[in-house]
Amino acid sequence: EAEVAQSPRYKITEKSQAVAFWCDPISGHATLYWYRQILGQGPELLVQFQDESVVDDSQLPKDRFSAERLKGVDSTLKIQPAELGDSAMYLCASSLRAWDRGLNEQFFGPGTRLTVL
Amino acid sequence: AQKVTQAQTEISVVEKEDVTLDCVYETRDTTYYLFWYKQPPSGELVFLIRRNSFDEQNEISGRYSWNFQKSTSSFNFTITASQVVDSAVYFCALNSYSGAGSYQLTFGKGTKLSVIP
Repeated sequence: EAEVAQSPRYKITEKSQAVAFWCDPISGHATLYWYRQILGQGPELLVQFQDESVVDDSQLPKDRFSAERLKGVDSTLKIQPAELGDSAMYLCASSLRAWDRGLNEQFFGPGTRLTVL
Repeated sequence: AQKVTQAQTEISVVEKEDVTLDCVYETRDTTYYLFWYKQPPSGELVFLIRRNSFDEQNEISGRYSWNFQKSTSSFNFTITASQVVDSAVYFCALNSYSGAGSYQLTFGKGTKLSVIP
């Protein structure tokens, strides 16, 4: 069964260091999402890609966060420098086509749990 | 604005009891989709069900059932004869237009279900 892959599963870093997370969506899924989930809350969208283009990054703290999907397949989310408040679960999801409401069912990866000390 | 409210933060039941998780949503869209996801302690969000706004027929799948009532903007989820393996956080989500040519999920804050043996 096709799955969304993410790595690493866990990351511990110190404040002011740089961290990067990787996501490989389900093959054939044009849309890729990065979410941040703070403990006790629902996931909140950080950035959405359609193929290699950013569709929505309005919730991405652009002073320290960046995301890319250069070839329209896998994606990297980077934080530099990390802050204590960035400790959270970072989830990647993919869907067939975001512009088709009926086909926007999102499949999630296992997430990367980030702890900033 | 799109909004999903899950008023129950935590619920505890004894194994084999039935339990209902509530979800109330707000949207101006006339066509929309609603979802339920399960998040076990491992962290991965698991898709459970998707319903569109034109289909108010209740659905049953094994021990799971869903009650969609458009008149009250509710999409409640019932687990019959709960089991310990049902212990997880359950999220209700609404598919909404992002304004950027695509659709996005808005999640509730989740309900943590604990099934006690």
